[in-house]
Amino acid sequence: SAVISQKPSRDICQRGTSLTIQCQVDSQVTMMFWYRQQPGQSLTLIATANQGSEATYESGFVIDKFPISRPNLTFSTLTVSNMSPEDSSIYLCSVGARDFSGANVLTFGAGSRLTVL
Amino acid sequence: AQKVTQAQTEISVVEKEDVTLDCVYETRDTTYYLFWYKQPPSGELVFLIRRNSFDEQNEISGRYSWNFQKSTSSFNFTITASQVVDSAVYFCALSDTGRRALTFGSGTRLQVQP
Repeated sequence: SAVISQKPSRDICQRGTSLTIQCQVDSQVTMMFWYRQQPGQSLTLIATANQGSEATYESGFVIDKFPISRPNLTFSTLTVSNMSPEDSSIYLCSVGARDFSGANVLTFGAGSRLTVL
Repeated sequence: AQKVTQAQTEISVVEKEDVTLDCVYETRDTTYYLFWYKQPPSGELVFLIRRNSFDEQNEISGRYSWNFQKSTSSFNFTITASQVVDSAVYFCALSDTGRRALTFGSGTRLQVQP
């Protein structure tokens, strides 16, 4: 399966600032997603990062707050803009690969733990 | 809409006990996939198993086993002879063939005491 590297692994940020998280995959992948995991909570899909076009956002997430880039098939960035303490979460990059049955099995990066003061 | 329910928020067992983690799902799709992931204290998500909706055969992998029952929309996970290293949060997830991303349950935190 693909190996995913996320940077930064953790950061402490000030309210009102923005932070960009990078996701690098060791192979070309068609499907790439960004998830958020708030403290003690489950994973919530933020958006699907589409190569060469705008990301597809889930309900409750907007491009102005979470702009996403995906310049090629191995790299994506997620920016958390104008941060507030409510944005303190783990942000996870994941990539999908179809297995023999057609299922999309997701592999996850180690996550970026953001704390907003 | 898809939904995954893990009613057990936290389970605590003593080492060597068997433990079952429950997962109930909702979907309108006839073809779908179910997953279990493990999230140890380190935070990384580890894929454990995938099961498709056409295959109700139970699966066993070492101390792990999974029971898929379409009639009750459940996909339960049993750990036999639990070990301290099994302590983690376990997530059940669901996807269909059209929606590529996964819908996750709220997770069950398993604590295995020595």
